[in-house]
Amino acid sequence: EVQLVQSGAEVKKPGESLRISCKGSGYSFTRYWISWVRQMPGKGLEWMGRIDPTDSYTNYSPSFQGHVTISADKSISTAYLQWTSLKASDTAMYYCARHWDRATWFDPWGQGTLVTVSS
Amino acid sequence: EIVLTQSPGTLSLSPGERATLSCRASQSVSSTYLAWYQQKPGQAPRLLIYGASSRATGIPDRFSGSGSGTDFTLTISRLEPEDFAVYYCQRYGSSVTFGPGTKVDIK
Repeated sequence: EVQLVQSGAEVKKPGESLRISCKGSGYSFTRYWISWVRQMPGKGLEWMGRIDPTDSYTNYSPSFQGHVTISADKSISTAYLQWTSLKASDTAMYYCARHWDRATWFDPWGQGTLVTVSS
Repeated sequence: EIVLTQSPGTLSLSPGERATLSCRASQSVSSTYLAWYQQKPGQAPRLLIYGASSRATGIPDRFSGSGSGTDFTLTISRLEPEDFAVYYCQRYGSSVTFGPGTKVDIK
């Protein structure tokens, strides 16, 4: 079964750093891209960026460029989303999702990681 | 950047009724690059339709997608209790955008 399993919920303070993960299983990890999607409380879906785990090539949405870093470790079939200095406005659910090519639909999605940033 | 608009914002229907959801793009989108997702409360989105009209694996045939250019439609022929959810359209390609969603709730 193809699965993306994300790391657990996080509670952080403003200014702290964070890295969340997304582990793929049931398929060849380097044959698919991984995207990250943000969903703020009660809001819609926002695409943040994507990575090709083969060579760690990344694309970012202009809205998120410079605010987060997407990376991957193909040896352990895991993609990451990282912040160096969190803000309260980063409070959201974050999903990873697999796509076959740079420009294809997302399927499946991870279960989501809730990040709460509060002083 | 292509902007997607979905209408209506909320659709109140009864089980057994037909649901018609609209997704409009600010400029023409190749139908190859249009998808629909379903999201239930507390769950991750699930792919329903890709390429504007192809059903994803395991998706019941009461779900269908159509459209081209700037106007796309998701139709649920007869609503089942488990279909009450939020539906998002997505344009994928060199960049990715989602519509704001349509909530289908029970009348």
